[in-house]
Amino acid sequence: QQQVKQSPQSLIVQKGGISIINCAYENTAFDYFPWYQQFPGKGPALLIAIRPDVSEKKEGRFTISFNKSAKQFSLHIMDSQPGDSATYFCAASTQSDYKLSFGAGTTVTVRA
Amino acid sequence: GAVVSQHPSWVICKSGTSVKIECRSLDFQATTMFWYRQFPKQSLMLMATSNEGSKATYEQGVEKDKFLINHASLTLSTLTVTSAHPEDSSFYICSARDGGPQEEQFFGPGTRLTVL
Repeated sequence: QQQVKQSPQSLIVQKGGISIINCAYENTAFDYFPWYQQFPGKGPALLIAIRPDVSEKKEGRFTISFNKSAKQFSLHIMDSQPGDSATYFCAASTQSDYKLSFGAGTTVTVRA
Repeated sequence: GAVVSQHPSWVICKSGTSVKIECRSLDFQATTMFWYRQFPKQSLMLMATSNEGSKATYEQGVEKDKFLINHASLTLSTLTVTSAHPEDSSFYICSARDGGPQEEQFFGPGTRLTVL
């Protein structure tokens, strides 16, 4: 079963707009929550990650919001650019084995 | 830093043959490497975890006799798809971590396998 549920499956945003992707998890043992960006035919690249002792983390135009009680976390992409058009995956892992459980992915299209 | 390479980047083979994919950590020692499989427009599914010098551990449903993993050194892990069939056609991606306290894994660029 998928341990991390991701939505939406796809979204279209205008240049300069905000893209928001949501993820939810069940396993309370998860203690590391990364987001990856993947372009077609390429491996995923780490964008930003958060641990459950922090509610928000910002790096440039990318922000993770984390709600431990709701077991949810989200990625906000501010001032979206055409170069941000890609598939984004949330993931989660524990320090016991570091195995990543990935969400289903969200394809983001930024229209110029 | 923290670069992971894969070779080949793509391979086409005939049904019934075996294919070896290499995953190398170029600038760090990878105590643990992970192998993933990704079908078109789908997510990454973990196939197995390999630790240097020990046998790989496979996820449920992954045939260990079909997908042979060898992690013989701290910078190299190999995945061999034995007796490949068209349903094995997929994008295979490896990742590596250095064994320190940081959870971050570094991903390779992937290998596209097409079995005819």
